[in-house]
Amino acid sequence: DTGVSQDPRHKITKRGQNVTFRCDPISEHNRLYWYRQTLGQGPEFLTYFQNEAQLEKSRLLSDRFSAERPKGSFSTLEIQRTEQGDSAMYLCASSFPGNNQPQHFGDGTRLSIL
Amino acid sequence: GENVEQHPSTLSVQEGDSAVIKCTYSDSASNYFPWYKQELGKRPQLIIDIRSNVGEKKDQRIAVTLNKTAKHFSLHITETQPEDSAVYFCAASTGANNLFFGTGTRLTVIP
Repeated sequence: DTGVSQDPRHKITKRGQNVTFRCDPISEHNRLYWYRQTLGQGPEFLTYFQNEAQLEKSRLLSDRFSAERPKGSFSTLEIQRTEQGDSAMYLCASSFPGNNQPQHFGDGTRLSIL
Repeated sequence: GENVEQHPSTLSVQEGDSAVIKCTYSDSASNYFPWYKQELGKRPQLIIDIRSNVGEKKDQRIAVTLNKTAKHFSLHITETQPEDSAVYFCAASTGANNLFFGTGTRLTVIP
């Protein structure tokens, strides 16, 4: 399968714990995006990378959130001191560079905060 | 920022009938409009997209129309089948690559 892969698929944790998710994009894509999707809503943009450079961050990305893409391949999204409101599906997408390139999504990581 | 509104939120059609989902956007600079299909527990899947230099695009039973003046675009599915049942999301982008999504339409095709 050469699509976008995310790990883990599900994460259950207690409030206040730190969590980290991983995304492996389609190998030919050098742009990688993180979105958050809550029940009944469309995905909301969080941040994106071109290669290893983080080029844009949404105001939704509080200081408890940090994303990295150290070698320009896979990316990690870490949430520190999780809160109830962080419960959501975290989706990763990737695309070729350039404007208006189709974004292809992974299956997401569903985070549940107890 | 961009605001995308999507209607209806739910849509039920008989198998074989057509389904139409409509979206409006607020930022006149938006120039890319993809549509995604999301089945329960699965990834959003790109089904069709349109750029602002064209008014209509068709791919088999799926078509998208764009009216830049009115700032709205629509998804048309003809000859619906039960496997078309899913949640459909429209999105808009100014080219900066972050997509702004609508709130989704749950389509149910009744056999």
